[in-house]
Amino acid sequence: QSVLTQPPSASGTPGQRVTISCSGSSSNIGSNTVNWYQQLPGTAPKLLIYSNNQRPSGVPDRFSGSKSGTSASLAISGLHSEDEADYYCAARDDSLNGVVFGGGTKLTVL
Amino acid sequence: QVQLVQSGAEVKKPGASLKVSCKASGYTFTSYYMHWVRQAPGQGLEWMGVFNPNGGSTNSAQKLQGRVTMTSDTSTSTVYMELSSLRSEDTAVYYCGRGGGYSYGPDYWGQGTLVTVSS
Repeated sequence: QSVLTQPPSASGTPGQRVTISCSGSSSNIGSNTVNWYQQLPGTAPKLLIYSNNQRPSGVPDRFSGSKSGTSASLAISGLHSEDEADYYCAARDDSLNGVVFGGGTKLTVL
Repeated sequence: QVQLVQSGAEVKKPGASLKVSCKASGYTFTSYYMHWVRQAPGQGLEWMGVFNPNGGSTNSAQKLQGRVTMTSDTSTSTVYMELSSLRSEDTAVYYCGRGGGYSYGPDYWGQGTLVTVSS
């Protein structure tokens, strides 16, 4: 049981816009920033979004993040087949004094 | 460029200990934390702990406290994670990830080390 709650799956067709939600509490998302990671099959996670809505260099602007209260969202617009991957949200948790992850969302591009 | 290179796959027997290394390059080693995260087969990411190479302080997940030790060798810019009293549930891919760059959590990640615990 993960501290942050994500839907286990999401899907879309090429060109569509999809969103993935991440729900937490006052001790994590409510008081700290959110990161999003993309994990392609058989590879290490890659930082996609940091500080709620910032993209590291090299990440396409098709990927965007937002946060409101104790929830956050990742949006992917203009879906590509290569976006098929697992996506994880993460945040620092002040009560646990560590990092907590969501359970991950498997994105399928139909 | 930032690179984290981890040691190779290991097979361990229950009750044994494991030590995974993570060699950093491309940045000032003592200026960033190092997180350890593991992923059991078919499962999500689990944060294990964080190590501060500047002073050696650590913080680990409550469920692993007493079994996990994190150390470093600043002369080689390498961080080590040792896990003792291994059980089958510790079978996972173990990742190191640099923290404190873009944010507190990991930004750059190692390639992962597969650890299999089996009798």
